[in-house]
Amino acid sequence: NAGVTQTPKFQVLKTGQSMTLQCAQDMNHNSMYWYRQDPGMGLRLIYYSASEGTTDKGEVPNGYNVSRLNKREFSLRLESAAPSQTSVYFCASSVDPRGWNTEAFFGQGTRLTVV
Amino acid sequence: GQQVMQIPQYQHVQEGEDFTTYCNSSTTLSNIQWYKQRPGGHPVFLIQLVKSGEVKKQKRLTFQFGEAKKNSSLHITATQTTDVGTYFCAGVTTDSWGKFQFGAGTQVVVTP
Repeated sequence: NAGVTQTPKFQVLKTGQSMTLQCAQDMNHNSMYWYRQDPGMGLRLIYYSASEGTTDKGEVPNGYNVSRLNKREFSLRLESAAPSQTSVYFCASSVDPRGWNTEAFFGQGTRLTVV
Repeated sequence: GQQVMQIPQYQHVQEGEDFTTYCNSSTTLSNIQWYKQRPGGHPVFLIQLVKSGEVKKQKRLTFQFGEAKKNSSLHITATQTTDVGTYFCAGVTTDSWGKFQFGAGTQVVVTP
């Protein structure tokens, strides 16, 4: 069982470039999340999806878009990357569609640098 | 909005000693989870607390949820080098629908 798989693991972008971070889970989970992690700030929720076809903004959604392609996949897109988006991005999933009653499983993370 | 604070931010512990990290919320939580992240790794779920005053133990780790469901603590006894990492609490309210609020974490360093 692969769990939650994120690609790529590392990425360097120039300011203004766009890219999509991919996330897939094979646990038949309903809820999926995108977090960013910055030093001293813990994990901050960017977007959340309770089920296929639904998405909801988290704490820091500006500059990002998401797509819940199907139950397995949840992608995060940066349309015009900025240095402030340099961070480690984690995708996570949980079985509960409400998202708050079961543990979250995290991917390995994507280390993104915007120069 | 909901705020979750963790203290201390850093904890240096001598191997064999005990320590406690605390998590405080500005609002009443429906439940709280704890995660551990090893250096360079990803967060891994440790436990979930749901009931007021709940206490759960995992070997040398003791987790507690406050009576008012606004605070929580993680106590580790006889610290080992394998306890190195950052410990996060994450709280959620029933009206926040999956939007867990993570604390900033307590980074634990263990000296032999």
